[in-house]
Amino acid sequence: AQKVTQAQTEISVVEKEDVTLDCVYETRDTTYYLFWYKQPPSGELVFLIRRNSFDEQNEISGRYSWNFQKSTSSFNFTITASQVVDSAVYFCALMRNTDKLIFGTGTRLQVFP
Amino acid sequence: DTGVSQDPRHKITKRGQNVTFRCDPISEHNRLYWYRQTLGQGPEFLTYFQNEAQLEKSRLLSDRFSAERPKGSFSTLEIQRTEQGDSAMYLCASTAGPGVGETQYFGPGTRLLVL
Repeated sequence: AQKVTQAQTEISVVEKEDVTLDCVYETRDTTYYLFWYKQPPSGELVFLIRRNSFDEQNEISGRYSWNFQKSTSSFNFTITASQVVDSAVYFCALMRNTDKLIFGTGTRLQVFP
Repeated sequence: DTGVSQDPRHKITKRGQNVTFRCDPISEHNRLYWYRQTLGQGPEFLTYFQNEAQLEKSRLLSDRFSAERPKGSFSTLEIQRTEQGDSAMYLCASTAGPGVGETQYFGPGTRLLVL
């Protein structure tokens, strides 16, 4: 079965705290792709990152970083020094050898000033 | 370069009415996708097009749903005889290239409420 699990339903932090959003996926495919999207209150899904299964190198983009570990089937997302503007629902998604994205149920992040 | 646009952004309708949503993909993107997102859930795939051809439909897409992309540019999603269970956010996405592994860029969605 193909599945994405985001066990954290909601996380609340105070501004400037670091926060990690967990993502665990299931697939038997050797080739697959993983994504993170941000959904602010306006509703639009904003693309953050794409990773293929052959590239386990961690990535950093400003305050954002991603840790991909095939051994634990995880693709976690860390925001360093969180800001109020980071408040949103974050979705992790899996794409196998088809065009379809399989999304997790999302993690709602609230950053308080 | 404009992103994916959807119209309307919000729609309130009475049960039993028909509704139609429109999606304009990013210019020159040949693949277009429809997803549905209910409250507290992640988006779920409905259907997708490569140019004007509809290549796959989810089991979620009942006979009351129909999607078209007549000229390979914009797409419409029609729901006939709406039911309260159709209340959801309908998201459209587009991508260039072969599709598999490509990043899908989403529009702002159409939020449907069926009374």
